[in-house]
Amino acid sequence: DAMVIQNPRYQVTQFGKPVTLSCSQTLNHNVMYWYQQKSSQAPKLLFHYYDKDFNNEADTPDNFQSRRPNTSFCFLDIRSPGLGDAAMYLCATSRDPRGREQPQHFGDGTRLSIL
Amino acid sequence: GIQVEQSPPDLILQEGANSTLRCNFSDSVNNLQWFHQNPWGQLINLFYIPSGTKQNGRLSATTVATERYSLLYISSSQTTDSGVYFCAVEEGSGGSNYKLTFGKGTLLTVNP
Repeated sequence: DAMVIQNPRYQVTQFGKPVTLSCSQTLNHNVMYWYQQKSSQAPKLLFHYYDKDFNNEADTPDNFQSRRPNTSFCFLDIRSPGLGDAAMYLCATSRDPRGREQPQHFGDGTRLSIL
Repeated sequence: GIQVEQSPPDLILQEGANSTLRCNFSDSVNNLQWFHQNPWGQLINLFYIPSGTKQNGRLSATTVATERYSLLYISSSQTTDSGVYFCAVEEGSGGSNYKLTFGKGTLLTVNP
């Protein structure tokens, strides 16, 4: 029944070792988002794809990249994770935000730890 | 960018009590959602409510868009209601940035 699926649920990586988080959706939504949530803070948008169009937030570090090979999948790549990148990463989707009644649907998140 | 303020920041209740959480925002919005984040970090969508009133069981929400606030009501609270409640808005400026801006949340603790 899960509509936005994130894998893995928990990820541990070493300082400086590249890591990829994945998100898939069964909703056929146009837009996919990646949010970062640090401990005791609110989620913060990193970037989003509107179909194949990539939209980066101005303050997202260059260390963070994303790929969307098709409608269903979106990946978050962290090229050289630092200790400050330890966080919960949340993927979300929405159908077409220009339309009416278009909430964002969130996955369960991937909690990333850096050793 | 749009500012989102939630109050109170923390709330402690006894099981069975009622509560009201508030969200103020600084500009017109296209989208307003209330979320509950449980202790495992899952963000559960409670309401999509850019205007008007909705009810779902013990929860209800009202958004008065012209006055730029939204309220989330929790009645007969249960221990499973504990967690952080976020209000998030999408700015209604007509631009193409469809991001949600989150408030800092209200941490609710319901004691048995």
